[in-house]
Amino acid sequence: DTAVSQTPKYLVTQMGNDKSIKCEQNLGHDTMYWYKQDSKKFLKIMFSYNNKELIINETVPNRFSPKSPDKAHLNLHINSLELGDSAVYFCATRDRPFSGNTIYFGEGSWLTVV
Amino acid sequence: DQQVKQNSPSLSVQEGRISILNCDYTNSMFDYFLWYKKYPAEGPTFLISISSIKDKNEDGRFTVFLNKSAKHLSLHIVPSQPGDSAVYFCAASGASGGSNYKLTFGKGTLLTVNP
Repeated sequence: DTAVSQTPKYLVTQMGNDKSIKCEQNLGHDTMYWYKQDSKKFLKIMFSYNNKELIINETVPNRFSPKSPDKAHLNLHINSLELGDSAVYFCATRDRPFSGNTIYFGEGSWLTVV
Repeated sequence: DQQVKQNSPSLSVQEGRISILNCDYTNSMFDYFLWYKKYPAEGPTFLISISSIKDKNEDGRFTVFLNKSAKHLSLHIVPSQPGDSAVYFCAASGASGGSNYKLTFGKGTLLTVNP
């Protein structure tokens, strides 16, 4: 039973489309993240939610909107997709935000915008 | 501005030998460091961590060394096995409060262990 699961794993879509990536965790953690790994292989934080509340919002275009319907889910919606949005998006969780504890990652969602 | 740097994009070693992966950081507020391992088409998985109050942490074949004055840490794998072939990410976070608590990752080092 996967602790952090993301869907879809692979997504190919056209420029201008709107798409969502879903994330669910069964670890009972309070904190969830979205990370992006771009073509240069940097793994960068995009958003963090703690108990459904946004606590980190890095410099990410407004086209990206996270939604946390409950503590176990953090979905990423992307409007008007652009070629530069092509990347691997990782969902992650941590038991609480302000700790040095381990972050657990999902398997990633490969987004290709054509 | 790269606060966590892994200057070697790749490393190749023979099975049974030691693998040494290096990581440098610039932010003096970082006080907790982690290594993650990533196989292709999978998410990063936690490997080992070290707090700034220590200079060494060991877990089986994996040992992480921290040199705070040099802002440098390294991961030693002894003996290296072919199954260790993966990308290794160094990550760092700061004390609670402020934006430093989030994990900042390096670019990763691709380790290849040859049989």
